[in-house]
Amino acid sequence: AQTVTQSQPEMSVQEAETVTLSCTYDTSESDYYLFWYKQPPSRQMILVIRQEAYKQQNATENRFSVNFQKAAKSFSLKISDSQLGDAAMYFCAYRARRRTGTYKYIFGTGTRLKVLA
Amino acid sequence: DVKVTQSSRYLVKRTGEKVFLECVQDMDHENMFWYRQDPGLGLRLIYFSYDVKMKEKGDIPEGYSVSREKKERFSLILESASTNQTSMYLCASSFDGIQPQHFGDGTRLSIL
Repeated sequence: AQTVTQSQPEMSVQEAETVTLSCTYDTSESDYYLFWYKQPPSRQMILVIRQEAYKQQNATENRFSVNFQKAAKSFSLKISDSQLGDAAMYFCAYRARRRTGTYKYIFGTGTRLKVLA
Repeated sequence: DVKVTQSSRYLVKRTGEKVFLECVQDMDHENMFWYRQDPGLGLRLIYFSYDVKMKEKGDIPEGYSVSREKKERFSLILESASTNQTSMYLCASSFDGIQPQHFGDGTRLSIL
């Protein structure tokens, strides 16, 4: 069964510094998608970044980038130049194919990021 | 922009009541999802629907049912609410299995 593990329940980073959030997953599929979602306090969950497993190049979105290690089944999120607005719960997610041929998303337990001024 | 609207941000119900949580999306998405979010457990899929009147059970369907009579609307039903169903409920939609999900604001449901 596919699983997603976020081993850091909470992390802190100083404003303007860089922080890396960890995510590992388990799958027997070769083609899949990985996502990082951000959930600010009392606000809507939004997509931060997406990675296609068949692409070797790591995805980047402005200050957000991933380190995708397919063999190690690792998908970490790096936030550069951290800002107060980055404070949120971050969820790693994996898109899995179901036996029926449809898809579902499997989420990790989340990492709460605090940004210190 | 895609908008996913959940009918209530906060809801308080009593044990044994039948509870309806409504979700509407405005982008003609095929797929809609209901999740439950609990501290330390992340998001767990309750049900999802990949077309009108089509549904599949997620990881924790017990005690819940769903209805999708129209493409834009996906309802979660607690048949007989219990205190262990107190939680944050998130609705999401996506165009297909590849595109990312878009989430609603969530409904914080308390069962007393």
